[in-house]
Amino acid sequence: ETGVTQTPRHLVMGMTNKKSLKCEQHLGHNAMYWYKQSAKKPLELMFVYSLEERVENNSVPSRFSPECPNSSHLFLHLHTLQPEDSALYLCASSQDSGQNSPLHFGNGTRLTVT
Amino acid sequence: AQTVTQSQPEMSVQEAETVTLSCTYDTSESDYYLFWYKQPPSRQMILVIRQEAYKQQNATENRFSVNFQKAAKSFSLKISDSQLGDAAMYFCAYRSASLREYGNKLVFGAGTILRVKS
Repeated sequence: ETGVTQTPRHLVMGMTNKKSLKCEQHLGHNAMYWYKQSAKKPLELMFVYSLEERVENNSVPSRFSPECPNSSHLFLHLHTLQPEDSALYLCASSQDSGQNSPLHFGNGTRLTVT
Repeated sequence: AQTVTQSQPEMSVQEAETVTLSCTYDTSESDYYLFWYKQPPSRQMILVIRQEAYKQQNATENRFSVNFQKAAKSFSLKISDSQLGDAAMYFCAYRSASLREYGNKLVFGAGTILRVKS
């Protein structure tokens, strides 16, 4: 049990599909994050939510749409993706008030866009 | 903007031996935090060790220790008595301690694959 659960583990979708990634944390944290991990590149921060409010959007294309309905759940809605969007998408959470509080990550969703 | 560089794409170590993974970073700030994360094949990112920049003493967690050289902006990870379970991708990460930096943003390096030989 990691404390941060992501579903699905794997996802294959066509460029015209609409799908959603789900993340759930059981740690009582109040900040949640989406990271993109591509091969041979540093992890890229996509979105940050603190107390269910989006506080960071790192110039992510609009085909990625996050949603945070409460402090325990985070979604990433996907539509009309491109093949270069294929990557591992990692969700993380932290106790936002603690500057030294580490991030806790989920196992990620491996996304393949065909 | 801060950057984190891991110059070793891959490293190998014999079981029970010691290995050091390199990390350098670039920042104009004086107060920040540094982390090493481990990502095994399960893909979960696991915190290995962390260091506060204002502390001169190097952090230690069991077989894991760091060599923090603030002036050189270097933050290497030493793994002693390497075990097969240490095989993973290791990421160095930086986070500002500035209150202007909202949230808990981590800036990651590209990672180092560590292979452990039996």
